[in-house]
Amino acid sequence: AQSVTQPDIHITVSEGASLELRCNYSYGATPYLFWYVQSPGQGLQLLLKYFSGDTLVQGIKGFEAEFKRSQSSFNLRKPSVHWSDAAEYFCAVGEIGNDMRFGAGTRLTVKP
Amino acid sequence: DAMVIQNPRYQVTQFGKPVTLSCSQTLNHNVMYWYQQKSSQAPKLLFHYYDKDFNNEADTPDNFQSRRPNTSFCFLDIRSPGLGDAAMYLCATRQDRGLNTEAFFGQGTRLTVV
Repeated sequence: AQSVTQPDIHITVSEGASLELRCNYSYGATPYLFWYVQSPGQGLQLLLKYFSGDTLVQGIKGFEAEFKRSQSSFNLRKPSVHWSDAAEYFCAVGEIGNDMRFGAGTRLTVKP
Repeated sequence: DAMVIQNPRYQVTQFGKPVTLSCSQTLNHNVMYWYQQKSSQAPKLLFHYYDKDFNNEADTPDNFQSRRPNTSFCFLDIRSPGLGDAAMYLCATRQDRGLNTEAFFGQGTRLTVV
């Protein structure tokens, strides 16, 4: 069965610093990978997605992620974090068909 | 502009009193999902509809039911809410075109059980 692991429950970075959120997946075939962001009390907003092709994908709000098949990873990055980026970030894996499964999430705190 | 709309945003219900949460979409997507999200946890898939075909997750309690009367609407019925059912409930839609596409989420309904 497919699974998604986000090893970091909580990360704190200073405003302006770079950010990397880790995501590892377990899946037999080529997965479809997503990063969503959730602000408190809100639904989930898609940041970016990977289906195929270029393994470095660009998303909204200055985020990017790189698919590395050899490491079964899809880490999210941002070169310079803004205070408004503080939120919960979820990595998700989709499969052919209909299911989409989420990792446990990483809560990002941004220090001034 | 909201494409996936959940009503209400906040719902308070009494222990054991049936409650229904609603979701509507303007995207005409053929797949609709219900997720349960408890505090500081990932969304957990309860069930989904592929068109009219209902797919229940194996560990979804029998207390949870769903209806999809048409493409635009989907309902989550909790027959006898317990304190453990207090959570955020998220509805999502996706258009299955053979290739996997992203899901669009509503703002969620936060359910409180008293």
